[in-house]
Amino acid sequence: RKEVEQDPGPFNVPEGATVAFNCTYSNSASQSFFWYRQDCRKEPKLLMSVYSSGNEDGRFTAQLNRASQYISLLIRDSKLSDSATYLCVVNGAGTASKLTFGTGTRLQVTL
Amino acid sequence: DVKVTQSSRYLVKRTGEKVFLECVQDMDHENMFWYRQDPGLGLRLIYFSYDVKMKEKGDIPEGYSVSREKKERFSLILESASTNQTSMYLCASSWGRTTGGSYEQYFGPGTRLTVT
Repeated sequence: RKEVEQDPGPFNVPEGATVAFNCTYSNSASQSFFWYRQDCRKEPKLLMSVYSSGNEDGRFTAQLNRASQYISLLIRDSKLSDSATYLCVVNGAGTASKLTFGTGTRLQVTL
Repeated sequence: DVKVTQSSRYLVKRTGEKVFLECVQDMDHENMFWYRQDPGLGLRLIYFSYDVKMKEKGDIPEGYSVSREKKERFSLILESASTNQTSMYLCASSWGRTTGGSYEQYFGPGTRLTVT
């Protein structure tokens, strides 16, 4: 089983739609969770951290379900500029500093 | 703002050449990382370092070595480049254990290496 699993997509949604991505992780001892965004041929950039209580940043909401070991990202009112690959990231076993990256979910927002 | 820079954006080398990729961060981060990213495989950790002169193997260290002589600088070395090392190489840095908090990583712009 992969340490972090994501649906690769692509998710094709019209502008203004709400879209949600899920990600599952295998290490129940993981403590840190993140969503990163990666544009084509660019480096990954931190989108948001995911806290146990969930967190919201504008149109983006991230939630953590420790019991089921999954993380979600909800994007409301999608914009064309949201088109990117979204990486689910979890700290790995053994060391808190080491992160494991999912292979990403591709989002394409269209007119 | 955290800034991570990498020595080259694009690099073309021949099989058997020794290749140096350099990464510099300006945030006094303790941890530094080298990844490669290939289509369908995501980011795979090659090596990381949590202190000067310290290094640990990641998931795919074969064919690579690293050097960290100064806190801000982390170098990736391909001793004898091969065509299967053609990839996007990404450097990242993060705070370490002593600073507490979370461990989000900040990435450089990447080096697209082609080995012919």
